[in-house]
Amino acid sequence: AQKVTQAQTEISVVEKEDVTLDCVYETRDTTYYLFWYKQPPSGELVFLIRRNSFDEQNEISGRYSWNFQKSTSSFNFTITASQVVDSAVYFCALSRNNFNKFYFGSGTKLNVKP
Amino acid sequence: DGGITQSPKYLFRKEGQNVTLSCEQNLNHDAMYWYRQDPGQGLRLIYYSQIVNDFQKGDIAEGYSVSREKKESFPLTVTSAQKNPTAFYLCASTKVGRGVYNEQFFGPGTRLTVL
Repeated sequence: AQKVTQAQTEISVVEKEDVTLDCVYETRDTTYYLFWYKQPPSGELVFLIRRNSFDEQNEISGRYSWNFQKSTSSFNFTITASQVVDSAVYFCALSRNNFNKFYFGSGTKLNVKP
Repeated sequence: DGGITQSPKYLFRKEGQNVTLSCEQNLNHDAMYWYRQDPGQGLRLIYYSQIVNDFQKGDIAEGYSVSREKKESFPLTVTSAQKNPTAFYLCASTKVGRGVYNEQFFGPGTRLTVL
């Protein structure tokens, strides 16, 4: 069975602090895909990144970075020098090779205070 | 501009009424999905469809129905059988196929309130 766990329900930081959002997944598939989405207060989910199971390279995009470790089944997301605009709910998701269904974690609400 | 549109943005319904939520995409995506989100909760899959005239139940399909008569459209009907329909409903779509990046793209959502 596929499962995504985001143990952090809510995190509060002060602007300019670094913050890491944890994502742990379960799957027996050898080929799978991992995603991060941002849901601002407006409600629409915004795609941030995808990673396939064969690519363990970490990725950096501006203040955002992602650490994928198959050995610990984790796909963590770090925001460096957080800003108030980063305040949102962040979802981690997993899909199987057939892309029939996406499995979403319960989300982590990030509050960045000025 | 390509994207997913959902209408209406806000919907109010009296108990016992059926309502239909619209979802249209012009991304030429094969698969479409409906999710329900309750306050402070994650996304739960209601129905999904990979091709026209075919759809599958998700995890919480009871009290909902869908149709997929056109590739671009995937309307969701919330029936009176749905016991607690007040929620935020999100529609998504994705391309299907090997070697294709298949992230889901989401619409802006419809907030349904039962009075």
